[in-house]
Amino acid sequence: QKEVEQDPGPLSVPEGAIVSLNCTYSNSAFQYFMWYRQYSRKGPELLMYTYSSGNKEDGRFTAQVDKSSKYISLFIRDSQPSDSATYLCAMSPYNFNKFYFGSGTKLNVKP
Amino acid sequence: NAGVTQTPKFQVLKTGQSMTLQCAQDMNHEYMSWYRQDPGMGLRLIHYSVGAGITDQGEVPNGYNVSRSTTEDFPLRLLSAAPSQTSVYFCATVPGPNYGYTFGSGTRLTVV
Repeated sequence: QKEVEQDPGPLSVPEGAIVSLNCTYSNSAFQYFMWYRQYSRKGPELLMYTYSSGNKEDGRFTAQVDKSSKYISLFIRDSQPSDSATYLCAMSPYNFNKFYFGSGTKLNVKP
Repeated sequence: NAGVTQTPKFQVLKTGQSMTLQCAQDMNHEYMSWYRQDPGMGLRLIHYSVGAGITDQGEVPNGYNVSRSTTEDFPLRLLSAAPSQTSVYFCATVPGPNYGYTFGSGTRLTVV
């Protein structure tokens, strides 16, 4: 069983929609969580970094962590065609390094 | 300020050949890592370093060597390439605890 599970998609939504991306995990020691965006043939870019349970908001992006359910989410409000990319979740027991990544969800936002 | 620079961008190797993937950073980050990305598998940690002279193994270290003689450089060596090492390789750096990774643009390696 993988440490981190993520639906590969693709997820296709119209412009302006609210997007929900999710990951589940099995290791209860994970405390630090990240979301990355990866455009085709590029390196991943950090979107959000959160610690433990709760919500964190940054512009149109909200990250949610539910440690009791071992479930994390990334919400994108007012989605734009430029948000079309693969979104990767990552998590670790440590506050740096040795992060475990999901396989990514491909998102397509249609104009 | 170039960030994280990886060379080469593309490489084709024959089985049994060796090569070094280069990673250089100009941000003075202490922590550097190598990941490989395969379809359906996500990114998996190969080796990492917490500073010059200090390296350790990640999740999938077999067939790879690393060294860290300077803060700026963290090369990844493939000792005897195998088709299973066909992948996209990413170098990533972190300035310290509670920061996310900065990734390079990747090296696409094909072993035939």
